[in-house]
Amino acid sequence: DAGVIQSPRHEVTEMGQEVTLRCKPISGHNSLFWYRQTMMRGLELLIYFNNNVPIDDSGMPEDRFSAKMPNASFSTLKIQPSEPRDSAVYFCASSGGDRRSVNEQYFGPGTRLTVT
Amino acid sequence: TQLLEQSPQFLSIQEGENLTVYCNSSSVFSSLQWYRQEPGEGPVLLVTVVTGGEVKKLKRLTFQFGDARKDSSLHITAAQPGDTGLYLCAHNTNAGKSTFGDGTTLTVKP
Repeated sequence: DAGVIQSPRHEVTEMGQEVTLRCKPISGHNSLFWYRQTMMRGLELLIYFNNNVPIDDSGMPEDRFSAKMPNASFSTLKIQPSEPRDSAVYFCASSGGDRRSVNEQYFGPGTRLTVT
Repeated sequence: TQLLEQSPQFLSIQEGENLTVYCNSSSVFSSLQWYRQEPGEGPVLLVTVVTGGEVKKLKRLTFQFGDARKDSSLHITAAQPGDTGLYLCAHNTNAGKSTFGDGTTLTVKP
């Protein structure tokens, strides 16, 4: 199994530009999570999906952030327009499959976003 | 929000020493996970503890869940430079949503 796949690994963009981060969860997992990690705020949950449906988006900072999961094998996190304070490492994680492992999350390698 | 407090925030030790890091809360958890994150990588799941008083061992790492299921500890015996990383604990609120502590950054010097 390839694990959770994220792209791109690094993204540098100018303020005001649109940024799209992509994630492919582990096959068979039915929950997908988007996190943001910074030195100041640690690891923050932005949104999570269960069976492709958004369950809790209370962590999404503001309307500039949006996330979609059109099918079980793909999700996107979009920032439009981007701002310098959005600079962070964004992680995607997946979990599920059975009752025992539903709370055990598997993280991708992350996308390091720099907005100048 | 059920907060997880991890201590110490930073820990720097010499190779071969033992150490313990803690994860505490005022709330009772159904389960708790420990993760390790190395620089430039995502967190990697180490263990899940479920039962109060439970002890799990993973080579030189010993994880304990408090009797009241409000706290947990991670003890590392004879630390090695490869143990260097950010250790995170996490609990689950409902339907698989996790909240993470701020972590303990461990540095093991050769």
